[in-house]
Amino acid sequence: DIQMTQSPSSLSASVGDRVTITCRASQSISSYLNWYQQKPGKAPKLLIYTASSLQSGVPSRFSGSGSGTDFTLTISSLQPEDFATYYCQQSSSAPYSFGQGTKLEIK
Amino acid sequence: DVQLVESGGGLVQPGGSLRLSCAASGFTFSSYWMTWVRQAPGKGLEWVANIKQDGSEKSYVDSVKGRFTISRDNAKNSLYLQMNSLRAEDTAVYYCTRGKPGIAAAVDWGQGTLLTVSS
Repeated sequence: DIQMTQSPSSLSASVGDRVTITCRASQSISSYLNWYQQKPGKAPKLLIYTASSLQSGVPSRFSGSGSGTDFTLTISSLQPEDFATYYCQQSSSAPYSFGQGTKLEIK
Repeated sequence: DVQLVESGGGLVQPGGSLRLSCAASGFTFSSYWMTWVRQAPGKGLEWVANIKQDGSEKSYVDSVKGRFTISRDNAKNSLYLQMNSLRAEDTAVYYCTRGKPGIAAAVDWGQGTLLTVSS
């Protein structure tokens, strides 16, 4: 099975900052990488699929990149509503595992 | 609008069984892969199982293989998760999700149903 590792596990940042979260797969997954945002008490929300495609309705300040084993999620200018936990997920082969999450907190 | 409504959660003793249901509406249910994802209290997301549109293909995470069975009834627009031999570590919120066509990404999520396994 493919293991997904995110870094950092937590991150403090300020409104307006540029933030990058990294996700690494234990083997090559091509571009089969998705990113989700989850706020407390809510279901996750799909942000990015196939590494760099923006899901409909997601603000353009979110972007994704990478292929093979290394991927990044970038938020270009943090907004108050972006403070949440972010998860990557590989969709290359079942079981479609998630990373452990990155909690983005207000500095 | 797409709606996914889970039900069936509750308190179960270790070794017990329970069936979760997910009622889908707002889309052609029979055209989509469906997936269960769970989240233990205060923990991250765990992919549990998925099922193809016609039910002919299913996959499971190792920790539930042989204990959980995913199924669907396209005539009733419903997804199910039969859970047997439950353990404390199965305690979680269970989410029903709809797959994005051609990609194993969960584009729509239900509100979740809580399963607690405890004596």
